[in-house]
Amino acid sequence: SQQGEEDPQALSIQEGENATMNCSYKTSINNLQWYRQNSGRGLVHLILIRSNEREKHSGRLRVTLDTSKKSSSLLITASRAADTASYFCATVDGANSKLTFGKGITLSVRP
Amino acid sequence: EAQVTQNPRYLITVTGKKLTVTCSQNMNHEYMSWYRQDPGLGLRQIYYSMNVEVTDKGDVPEGYKVSRKEKRNFPLILESPSPNQTSLYFCASNSFGNEQFFGPGTRLTVL
Repeated sequence: SQQGEEDPQALSIQEGENATMNCSYKTSINNLQWYRQNSGRGLVHLILIRSNEREKHSGRLRVTLDTSKKSSSLLITASRAADTASYFCATVDGANSKLTFGKGITLSVRP
Repeated sequence: EAQVTQNPRYLITVTGKKLTVTCSQNMNHEYMSWYRQDPGLGLRQIYYSMNVEVTDKGDVPEGYKVSRKEKRNFPLILESPSPNQTSLYFCASNSFGNEQFFGPGTRLTVL
């Protein structure tokens, strides 16, 4: 069952621009996580935001969480060609720590 | 180095020939999972384990088996592989409530 749904499905921007990706989910969560995947490789964890947090930063990444709207956004500032990848949001609900992934967003950053 | 390892990385096999994909983690994580990734479908969880001798079905368990006899290992077994199990498989581990660490992936082709 799909919990997180990312939006848009694909995003193409110029190097130096900001990239904003959104994720919506259906049920209450313990935390929400964003992952990055380069083509055919394993997923790499970017950032985790807990249900009692509203905003979190890590380098050029900024994540917000609105539990009332059941949505999250990932902002990558000053994008680089190396940011080209697929990005996934994943939600964790309840005590079993089960992660449920969305289908992902393909980000292309043009040099 | 903290990591999740999977073997083999690539495997081509024929319908009905039993195979095992191994997964091992060195971070003493309680929680381990197997996912498959298919174009347009994102990551779907096959099985997960919350601790030794505790396993449970994920979203797409049909045709797969797992075991968790030791904390560090979580092999995925395909007793009788079929072509619809051709996919990219990922193993992951985490401590409860925290980010998952992914293996590099196993690309399986069933002819």
